[in-house]
Amino acid sequence: EVKLVESGGGLVQPGRSLKLSCAASGFSFNDYWMGWVRQAPGKGLEWIGEINQDSSTINYTPSLKDKFTISRDNAQNTLYLQMSKLGSEDTAIYYCARDGYSPPYWYFDFWGPGTMVTVSS
Amino acid sequence: NTVMTQSPTSMFISVGDRVTMNCKASQNVGTNVDWYQQKTGQSPKLLIYGASNRYTGVPDRFTGSGSGTDFTLTISNMQAEDLAVYYCLQYNYNRTFGGGTKLELK
Repeated sequence: EVKLVESGGGLVQPGRSLKLSCAASGFSFNDYWMGWVRQAPGKGLEWIGEINQDSSTINYTPSLKDKFTISRDNAQNTLYLQMSKLGSEDTAIYYCARDGYSPPYWYFDFWGPGTMVTVSS
Repeated sequence: NTVMTQSPTSMFISVGDRVTMNCKASQNVGTNVDWYQQKTGQSPKLLIYGASNRYTGVPDRFTGSGSGTDFTLTISNMQAEDLAVYYCLQYNYNRTFGGGTKLELK
């Protein structure tokens, strides 16, 4: 069974950094692109970015490119999201998702339950 | 950045209705569009990929269509369990989600 579980969320002060993790199981992690998506309270989904299998390609939504860093550890089957200079606008549920691929189609076929990040003093 | 505009933002529907919602891309994205369903308190679930391909296990009352800049998700016989917010997502260049269409009971 494919399983994704995010962790590392919580309350953080404005201007600080936070690193989220996503533990993957039930599939061959190093065969898949992986992505992060967030959702502010009561708002829609926002794509943050994605990373390919060997970390040689990482794409970000332009507005977050200088604040967030995506990485992965294939030996640990874990995806990461390093967030810096956090502001209230970064308060959201953060989801990791597996990037499925059936040529030529891409899709997020499995999602974690999300981890809540609250930025507040 | 490719902007995805969904309409309407909300719909009041009855069980058994045929429901149609739209997603318009700010530039040509081919058929590189997925649709996701998100129920309250849950993670999103994939419904449609490549504009018109139903994902494994998705009931056949869900149909996606369109190409280029205009896309549609249709629910042919609305069920109570389909109450949710529906999002389109383009992946032609990076990815961007639409703002969502919320289905509510009349």
